[in-house]
Formats: sequence, structure tokens, C-alpha cells
Amino acid sequence: NAGVMQNPRHLVRRRGQEARLRCSPMKGHSHVYWYRQLPEEGLKFMVYLQKENIIDESGMPKERFSAEFPKEGPSILRIQQVVRGDSAAYFCASSPQGRPLKQYFGPGTRLTVT
Amino acid sequence: QKEVEQNSGPLSVPEGAIASLNCTYSDRGSQSFFWYRQYSGKSPELIMFIYSNGDKEDGRFTAQLNKASQYVSLLIRDSQPSDSATYLCATEGQGGSEKLVFGKGTKLTVNP
Repeated sequence: NAGVMQNPRHLVRRRGQEARLRCSPMKGHSHVYWYRQLPEEGLKFMVYLQKENIIDESGMPKERFSAEFPKEGPSILRIQQVVRGDSAAYFCASSPQGRPLKQYFGPGTRLTVT
Repeated sequence: QKEVEQNSGPLSVPEGAIASLNCTYSDRGSQSFFWYRQYSGKSPELIMFIYSNGDKEDGRFTAQLNKASQYVSLLIRDSQPSDSATYLCATEGQGGSEKLVFGKGTKLTVNP
């Protein structure tokens, strides 16, 4: 029973490049969430998606960041023109429909911007 | 803006003792609360959730919720060195939002 899958696990990008982070939810889960964890800070919500829909993007920076969850394939978090401040651990979580919100996290992608 | 506050620690307990982790929250409307364990360099792992006042026990873990005082706690009995991790408290976002709002976590060290 595979859990939430994320790839790559580690990603190094130079300033100005694009970063693409992928997430496949747990089997049977239709809700995907992206969180960011900066060093010495807590987990911060970024975006919540269902298939082909962005439900809540209140935590997404206004520029350079976008997310999608297509009908087929994984959810993708895309960061354009990365800057050093984007260096962080990016976690994807998934949950089944309904309450309580039991969200299960993937292993994360550690993004380093050089 | 909903907030979740935790004592950042570090909290250090001897092996076999009870570790008590506390969390307070700002929004009286919060319904459900979650405890995640995060080992260094790893992802958060859901270990407990609670939505009713009182205690909920699962093995060595007990979650306690007091809505009147707006706090939730996690007790770990018979603490083991393998329990050494950062413990994150979370609740759902405002207005029934499906996002989770996390505290910054309490780092627990269990000394052999």
C-alpha cells in the first residue's frame, strides 16, 4: 500500500532556473496539499487541489509559484526563476474526502538554490 | 489569522518518564486537532487526532483536548529514545478550510 510519493527527493537549482516538484497522492485519496518548511520554521500551507481544480491557494506567493493537479498524472508544484529564499523542504500531503482532515505526508523534496 | 502556539523546547526527559507536550490555539471555532511527529530530516507523520473534549488514548500516546481553555496536549508514557523528535500540533484552517495550520513544534529528547 504505497504512501504519498514525491520526486525528486533532492533538487538543486541555480538562481533563475525553474523547479518542478511532483506528488502522487496515496491510493484512494483525491485531495492534495502542498506545504513548505523553511529552516527553523514551521510548516506553512501553500495550496490545496483536487483533480483539475485549485481549491485554496491562499498560501501561495503571488508570483513565480503555480500548482496543478491534472486529470491524469501527479500534482506539480512549479517555481519559476528560483531565488535563494526558495530553498526549503516542500512537502505534499494527501487525504481522503471527509472529516477529520487526516493528511498524510510524502517524504518531501529538498530544494536548494545556489 | 488562526494561530497555533507551542513551546519550542527543547524538552528533555529520561527514558521511561512521561513526556508532556502542550499546544494552545487562538480560534475558539477550531474543531479538530492533530499531532504529528517529525524526525530530523524526515516528513511529518500523523500520530494522533482528537476532536472531542477529554482524553483519547492510543498505546503509549494520550491526546487531551480542553476547548474551554483552548489547549491541546500530548502525553507520551514510558518515553523511549526512539520518541526523540519534533512534535507538531495542528488544527484546520479558519472557516472550515481544509488546510492545516501548524505550530512551530516542540523538540523532544529522551535520554537513555
